[in-house]
Amino acid sequence: GEDVEQSLFLSVREGDSSVINCTYTDSSSTYLYWYKQEPGAGLQLLTYIFSNMDMKQDQRLTVLLNKKDKHLSLRIADTQTGDSAIYFCAESYGNNRLAFGKGNQVVVIP
Amino acid sequence: EPEVTQTPSHQVTQMGQEVILRCVPISNHLYFYWYRQILGQKVEFLVSFYNNEISEKSEIFDDQFSVERPDGSNFTLKIRSTKLEDSAMYFCASREGQFNYGYTFGSGTRLTVV
Repeated sequence: GEDVEQSLFLSVREGDSSVINCTYTDSSSTYLYWYKQEPGAGLQLLTYIFSNMDMKQDQRLTVLLNKKDKHLSLRIADTQTGDSAIYFCAESYGNNRLAFGKGNQVVVIP
Repeated sequence: EPEVTQTPSHQVTQMGQEVILRCVPISNHLYFYWYRQILGQKVEFLVSFYNNEISEKSEIFDDQFSVERPDGSNFTLKIRSTKLEDSAMYFCASREGQFNYGYTFGSGTRLTVV
């Protein structure tokens, strides 16, 4: 079955970089995703990476994918207070539904 | 930007009562989903719906749950007889096509069963 693991909490100073990690199990996943959830809000798609890519850069966001180790990371450059949120990685499973990790809470300290 | 709309944002119900959670997916999307997130836990898949029928469901989605697309725009999740453990945030999502990456989620309905 699918299992997506994330560590739980990260605090970072404003302006620094933050890195969030995730491991997943389904090697047949087509896409892997990072979602952001602000307090009281829904799940906002931040970025995604196709499974045959190693890296994707999208403005301040860099996604790295290590398929051998089934490891996904999200780096946020120049972290801002608006980046405080819970970040979920997710993999597409069976090309239909998503399997989510537990989420990383990121707290940005001004 | 098109949105998935969910109503109500918060619902409190007594144990044993029926609840209907409502969603309006993006109009040209064909695939619809319900997920739930119990406080402090993972977001869990409940059910997917395509072409007016359930295409996949998880073991959470037992006989107490049902989904319907009654009028071509709404997508509803019904819980027949709520239990305390049904308290969670319920998210609706839609996707344009099977091979399109873009799942769009609604803001969720927080269901509290008392």
